[in-house]
Amino acid sequence: KNEVEQSPQNLTAQEGEFITINCSYSVGISALHWLQQHPGGGIVSLFMLSSGKKKHGRLIATINIQEKHSSLHITASHPRDSAVYICAVSPSNYQLIWGAGTKLIIKP
Amino acid sequence: NAGVMQNPRHLVRRRGQEARLRCSPMKGHSHVYWYRQLPEEGLKFMVYLQKENIIDESGMPKERFSAEFPKEGPSILRIQQVVRGDSAAYFCASSPAMIQYGAGYTFGSGTRLTVV
Repeated sequence: KNEVEQSPQNLTAQEGEFITINCSYSVGISALHWLQQHPGGGIVSLFMLSSGKKKHGRLIATINIQEKHSSLHITASHPRDSAVYICAVSPSNYQLIWGAGTKLIIKP
Repeated sequence: NAGVMQNPRHLVRRRGQEARLRCSPMKGHSHVYWYRQLPEEGLKFMVYLQKENIIDESGMPKERFSAEFPKEGPSILRIQQVVRGDSAAYFCASSPAMIQYGAGYTFGSGTRLTVV
């Protein structure tokens, strides 16, 4: 079993829909990261969380440390949100354990 | 305020040649991390460096790969005698302090190495 599990693996939705991507992990962590990777592109760090909830524009990330679970939400989704969204955890300090990613496609 | 700069963006090498990948961290960042993403796979940690020091290279292959972060200039990931299996995207990230103290990562756009 992977230490970081993301679901769903693939997600296709219509523009405007509310999107939720989930991440569960099995190790103790100091922080959890959500990142975005566009096809052929670089990686953008969206959030780093150690507790609670963070919001940036249409993106919201939450984490429940007791349940070892995090969610990334996108409100009013748009085709430009199409990308791979990756959850990664920091078990101690600098080493990240990466989820396999969720490929999101938003259709106009 | 430039972010993490990696160059080249794309690099093609023939088998047996050397590949040099460069990473200039964000201004004020003294910690550099290299990750490799093989096709259809997630990122894997390779090495963590601070200025003039390799802190952790547990993710680096034992042979042909080396990394440095000199006092002046960018961090360099060097792959000698490249093989087809080295074809991957190599990402660099930087942070102002160790991540455990709450410092976030900033990633570069990556270098896509193709070995022909």
